[in-house]
Amino acid sequence: EAQVTQNPRYLITVTGKKLTVTCSQNMNHEYMSWYRQDPGLGLRQIYYSMNVEVTDKGDVPEGYKVSRKEKRNFPLILESPSPNQTSLYFCASSLSVNSPLHFGNGTRLTVT
Amino acid sequence: SQQGEEDPQALSIQEGENATMNCSYKTSINNLQWYRQNSGRGLVHLILIRSNEREKHSGRLRVTLDTSKKSSSLLITASRAADTASYFCATDGWSTGNQFYFGTGTSLTVIP
Repeated sequence: EAQVTQNPRYLITVTGKKLTVTCSQNMNHEYMSWYRQDPGLGLRQIYYSMNVEVTDKGDVPEGYKVSRKEKRNFPLILESPSPNQTSLYFCASSLSVNSPLHFGNGTRLTVT
Repeated sequence: SQQGEEDPQALSIQEGENATMNCSYKTSINNLQWYRQNSGRGLVHLILIRSNEREKHSGRLRVTLDTSKKSSSLLITASRAADTASYFCATDGWSTGNQFYFGTGTSLTVIP
Protein backbone atom coordinates (compact mmCIF):
# COMPACT_ATOMS: atom_id res chain seq x y z
CA GLU A 1 0.00 0.00 0.00
CA ALA A 2 1.31 3.43 -0.99
CA GLN A 3 1.82 5.47 2.13
CA VAL A 4 3.77 7.97 4.17
CA THR A 5 4.61 6.63 7.61
CA GLN A 6 5.37 8.93 10.50
CA ASN A 7 6.44 7.91 13.97
CA PRO A 8 5.67 8.41 16.73
CA ARG A 9 2.01 9.37 16.61
CA TYR A 10 2.16 11.11 19.98
CA LEU A 11 5.20 12.45 21.80
CA ILE A 12 5.50 14.26 25.12
CA THR A 13 8.92 15.56 26.03
CA VAL A 14 10.67 18.18 28.12
CA THR A 15 12.44 21.34 27.07
CA GLY A 16 15.90 20.72 25.69
CA LYS A 17 15.69 16.97 25.19
CA LYS A 18 16.64 16.17 21.60
CA LEU A 19 14.10 14.22 19.61
CA THR A 20 13.60 12.85 16.11
CA VAL A 21 10.35 12.29 14.27
CA THR A 22 10.76 9.77 11.49
CA CYS A 23 9.10 9.88 8.08
CA SER A 24 9.26 7.26 5.38
CA GLN A 25 7.50 6.95 2.03
CA ASN A 26 7.27 3.91 -0.26
CA MET A 27 6.22 5.67 -3.47
CA ASN A 28 9.68 6.62 -4.80
CA HIS A 29 8.72 10.28 -4.50
CA GLU A 30 11.34 12.94 -5.19
CA TYR A 31 9.77 15.68 -3.06
CA MET A 32 9.33 15.46 0.70
CA SER A 33 8.37 18.10 3.22
CA TRP A 34 7.49 18.81 6.83
CA TYR A 35 4.66 21.00 8.08
CA ARG A 36 3.42 22.12 11.41
CA GLN A 37 -0.26 22.82 12.01
CA ASP A 38 -1.38 25.23 14.69
CA PRO A 39 -4.90 26.50 15.42
CA GLY A 40 -5.70 29.59 13.41
CA LEU A 41 -2.42 29.43 11.49
CA GLY A 42 -3.09 26.57 9.11
CA LEU A 43 -0.22 24.48 7.78
CA ARG A 44 3.20 26.07 7.62
CA GLN A 45 6.14 24.50 5.87
CA ILE A 46 9.22 23.82 7.97
CA TYR A 47 11.65 22.19 5.53
CA TYR A 48 11.44 20.49 2.19
CA SER A 49 13.63 18.32 0.03
CA MET A 50 13.66 18.12 -3.74
CA ASN A 51 15.82 14.99 -3.79
CA VAL A 52 18.46 13.05 -1.91
CA GLU A 53 20.98 15.32 -0.17
CA VAL A 54 18.98 18.43 -1.21
CA THR A 55 17.11 20.21 1.57
CA ASP A 56 15.80 23.77 1.88
CA LYS A 57 14.17 25.90 4.52
CA GLY A 58 10.48 26.57 4.46
CA ASP A 59 8.74 29.44 6.20
CA VAL A 60 9.34 28.32 9.80
CA PRO A 61 12.68 26.44 9.96
CA GLU A 62 14.02 27.86 13.24
CA GLY A 63 14.68 25.17 15.83
CA TYR A 64 14.44 22.29 13.35
CA LYS A 65 16.84 20.20 11.29
CA VAL A 66 16.27 17.65 8.58
CA SER A 67 18.31 15.25 6.52
CA ARG A 68 17.70 13.32 3.28
CA LYS A 69 20.34 10.63 3.08
CA GLU A 70 17.98 8.19 1.33
CA LYS A 71 15.12 8.89 -1.01
CA ARG A 72 12.50 7.26 1.17
CA ASN A 73 13.37 8.83 4.55
CA PHE A 74 13.13 12.42 5.73
CA PRO A 75 13.49 12.69 9.52
CA LEU A 76 12.71 15.87 11.43
CA ILE A 77 15.11 16.65 14.27
CA LEU A 78 14.53 19.00 17.17
CA GLU A 79 17.92 19.47 18.79
CA SER A 80 16.63 21.44 21.78
CA PRO A 81 12.83 21.48 21.82
CA SER A 82 11.01 24.40 23.38
CA PRO A 83 7.36 24.78 24.41
CA ASN A 84 6.60 26.93 21.34
CA GLN A 85 7.29 23.85 19.23
CA THR A 86 4.28 22.12 20.72
CA SER A 87 2.23 21.42 17.62
CA LEU A 88 0.83 18.85 15.21
CA TYR A 89 3.45 17.87 12.65
CA PHE A 90 2.93 16.33 9.23
CA CYS A 91 5.30 14.80 6.78
CA ALA A 92 4.27 14.73 3.13
CA SER A 93 5.69 13.56 -0.17
CA SER A 94 4.93 13.99 -3.84
CA LEU A 95 6.29 12.98 -7.23
CA SER A 96 7.27 16.55 -7.99
CA VAL A 97 6.80 20.12 -6.82
CA ASN A 98 3.54 20.45 -8.71
CA SER A 99 2.03 17.03 -7.96
CA PRO A 100 -0.43 16.25 -5.17
CA LEU A 101 1.00 15.69 -1.73
CA HIS A 102 0.55 12.47 0.22
CA PHE A 103 0.46 13.05 3.95
CA GLY A 104 1.42 10.97 6.95
CA ASN A 105 -1.01 10.64 9.84
CA GLY A 106 0.73 13.26 11.92
CA THR A 107 2.74 13.49 15.12
CA ARG A 108 1.26 15.40 18.01
CA LEU A 109 4.20 16.83 19.96
CA THR A 110 3.95 18.38 23.41
CA VAL A 111 7.00 20.07 24.91
CA THR A 112 6.73 20.92 28.60
CA SER B 1 3.07 35.33 4.32
CA GLN B 2 2.09 33.70 1.08
CA GLN B 3 -0.66 31.65 2.63
CA GLY B 4 -4.05 31.79 1.09
CA GLU B 5 -7.29 32.28 2.90
CA GLU B 6 -10.45 30.29 2.90
CA ASP B 7 -13.94 31.54 3.37
CA PRO B 8 -15.95 30.81 5.39
CA GLN B 9 -13.82 29.64 8.30
CA ALA B 10 -16.68 27.41 9.44
CA LEU B 11 -19.79 26.13 7.73
CA SER B 12 -22.66 24.10 9.14
CA ILE B 13 -25.31 22.59 6.85
CA GLN B 14 -27.97 19.90 6.81
CA GLU B 15 -27.36 16.58 5.13
CA GLY B 16 -28.38 16.74 1.49
CA GLU B 17 -27.58 20.44 1.09
CA ASN B 18 -24.70 21.75 -0.98
CA ALA B 19 -21.57 23.20 0.61
CA THR B 20 -19.45 25.87 -1.05
CA MET B 21 -16.02 26.91 0.13
CA ASN B 22 -13.89 29.67 -1.34
CA CYS B 23 -10.15 30.07 -1.48
CA SER B 24 -8.05 33.09 -2.35
CA TYR B 25 -4.35 32.85 -3.01
CA LYS B 26 -1.49 35.22 -3.63
CA THR B 27 0.92 33.75 -6.14
CA SER B 28 0.98 32.60 -9.74
CA ILE B 29 0.21 28.91 -9.95
CA ASN B 30 0.71 25.91 -12.14
CA ASN B 31 -2.14 24.22 -10.36
CA LEU B 32 -4.30 24.52 -7.29
CA GLN B 33 -5.17 21.55 -5.11
CA TRP B 34 -7.90 20.84 -2.59
CA TYR B 35 -7.41 18.64 0.42
CA ARG B 36 -9.61 17.24 3.15
CA GLN B 37 -8.61 16.66 6.76
CA ASN B 38 -10.56 14.62 9.23
CA SER B 39 -10.01 15.77 12.79
CA GLY B 40 -6.33 15.55 13.70
CA ARG B 41 -5.50 13.26 10.79
CA GLY B 42 -3.32 13.72 7.74
CA LEU B 43 -4.63 15.66 4.77
CA VAL B 44 -5.99 13.72 1.84
CA HIS B 45 -5.82 15.05 -1.70
CA LEU B 46 -9.23 15.54 -3.31
CA ILE B 47 -8.80 17.25 -6.64
CA LEU B 48 -6.26 19.22 -8.67
CA ILE B 49 -7.16 21.94 -11.16
CA ARG B 50 -4.58 23.30 -13.57
CA SER B 51 -4.14 27.01 -14.23
CA ASN B 52 -5.54 26.66 -17.75
CA GLU B 53 -8.72 24.98 -16.51
CA ARG B 54 -11.78 26.85 -15.27
CA GLU B 55 -13.82 24.00 -13.85
CA LYS B 56 -13.29 20.40 -12.86
CA HIS B 57 -15.55 17.69 -11.51
CA SER B 58 -14.90 14.58 -9.48
CA GLY B 59 -17.93 12.70 -8.20
CA ARG B 60 -19.85 15.11 -5.93
CA LEU B 61 -17.02 17.65 -6.04
CA ARG B 62 -16.91 20.61 -8.37
CA VAL B 63 -13.96 22.99 -8.37
CA THR B 64 -13.73 26.29 -10.19
CA LEU B 65 -10.69 28.45 -10.73
CA ASP B 66 -10.40 32.13 -11.63
CA THR B 67 -6.73 32.98 -12.09
CA SER B 68 -7.49 36.63 -12.81
CA LYS B 69 -8.98 36.95 -9.33
CA LYS B 70 -6.61 34.42 -7.77
CA SER B 71 -9.54 32.52 -6.34
CA SER B 72 -11.04 29.06 -6.39
CA SER B 73 -14.14 27.45 -5.01
CA LEU B 74 -15.03 23.92 -3.96
CA LEU B 75 -18.62 22.78 -4.15
CA ILE B 76 -19.73 19.57 -2.47
CA THR B 77 -23.16 18.54 -3.69
CA ALA B 78 -25.71 16.47 -1.76
CA SER B 79 -23.58 16.52 1.35
CA ARG B 80 -23.40 13.62 3.78
CA ALA B 81 -22.51 13.43 7.46
CA ALA B 82 -19.28 11.70 6.40
CA ASP B 83 -18.24 14.90 4.59
CA THR B 84 -17.73 16.56 7.97
CA ALA B 85 -14.07 17.62 7.91
CA SER B 86 -11.80 20.58 7.28
CA TYR B 87 -11.05 21.51 3.70
CA PHE B 88 -7.90 23.25 2.52
CA CYS B 89 -6.75 24.69 -0.75
CA ALA B 90 -3.08 24.66 -1.64
CA THR B 91 -1.01 26.25 -4.34
CA ASP B 92 1.68 24.11 -5.87
CA GLY B 93 5.35 24.90 -5.58
CA TRP B 94 6.00 25.70 -9.23
CA SER B 95 6.25 29.47 -8.80
CA THR B 96 6.90 29.80 -5.08
CA GLY B 97 10.42 28.49 -4.65
CA ASN B 98 9.27 24.89 -4.48
CA GLN B 99 6.98 25.42 -1.52
CA PHE B 100 3.32 24.48 -1.32
CA TYR B 101 1.17 27.06 0.42
CA PHE B 102 -2.01 26.08 2.19
CA GLY B 103 -5.05 28.14 2.99
CA THR B 104 -6.30 28.43 6.54
CA GLY B 105 -9.08 25.95 5.94
CA THR B 106 -12.86 25.73 6.15
CA SER B 107 -14.36 23.54 8.86
CA LEU B 108 -17.47 21.87 7.46
CA THR B 109 -20.08 20.24 9.68
CA VAL B 110 -22.85 18.26 8.01
CA ILE B 111 -25.75 17.62 10.35
CA PRO B 112 -27.56 14.31 9.80
